[in-house]
Amino acid sequence: AQSVAQPEDQVKVAEGNPLTVKCTYSVSGNPYLFWYVQYPNRGLQFLLKYITGDNLVKGSYGFEAEFNKSQTSFHLKKPSALVSDSALYFCAVRVVYNQGGKLIFGQGTELSVKP
Amino acid sequence: DGGITQSPKYLFRKEGQNVTLSCEQNLNHDAMYWYRQDPGQGLRLIYYSQIVNDFQKGDIAEGYSVSREKKESFPLTVTSAQKNPTAFYLCASSRGGTTTDTQYFGPGTRLTVL
Repeated sequence: AQSVAQPEDQVKVAEGNPLTVKCTYSVSGNPYLFWYVQYPNRGLQFLLKYITGDNLVKGSYGFEAEFNKSQTSFHLKKPSALVSDSALYFCAVRVVYNQGGKLIFGQGTELSVKP
Repeated sequence: DGGITQSPKYLFRKEGQNVTLSCEQNLNHDAMYWYRQDPGQGLRLIYYSQIVNDFQKGDIAEGYSVSREKKESFPLTVTSAQKNPTAFYLCASSRGGTTTDTQYFGPGTRLTVL
């Protein structure tokens, strides 16, 4: 079965420290991977995606993600965390579905950045 | 949240009532989607539409219905047949329905059944 896993329900870091939010996937064929962020009672905001090419993808707000095919991972990273980065983060993989495509989401990881 | 609007932001429904959630986009996107979000879970696909006058069931379509009469609009009706409708509902759109297109989300509607 095609799936996405975010092994940590919660990640806590201090402001200014690097952060990593983990994501692993299981798909048949090429993986098309996405990261979204959600602030309380808001919709999801797109951060970045991996389609093909360079394994290090740069996105919005200083975030980047590293695609690792051998480990089937797509971890989200930021060199220096901000308090305003505190939010819920979702990893997703786009898969072929019927005649189109759909996103399969992980359960989400709550990031808490303390001053 | 970009050019996708959802209304209302909060909606309260009595048991046995049908309610309709609005989703409008001005991005000229062909594909539109409805997801349901429950606490501690990822999003689950309810319905999607790749083109006007066409839509497909997602993973949890039972108790829901949609229409796509206009490119910019994709309303979702939560019927009385939906056993547990209390949730946060998110609408999304993408330029096309292919696997590489990015989906952009609206601000969501929180539905509560009283």
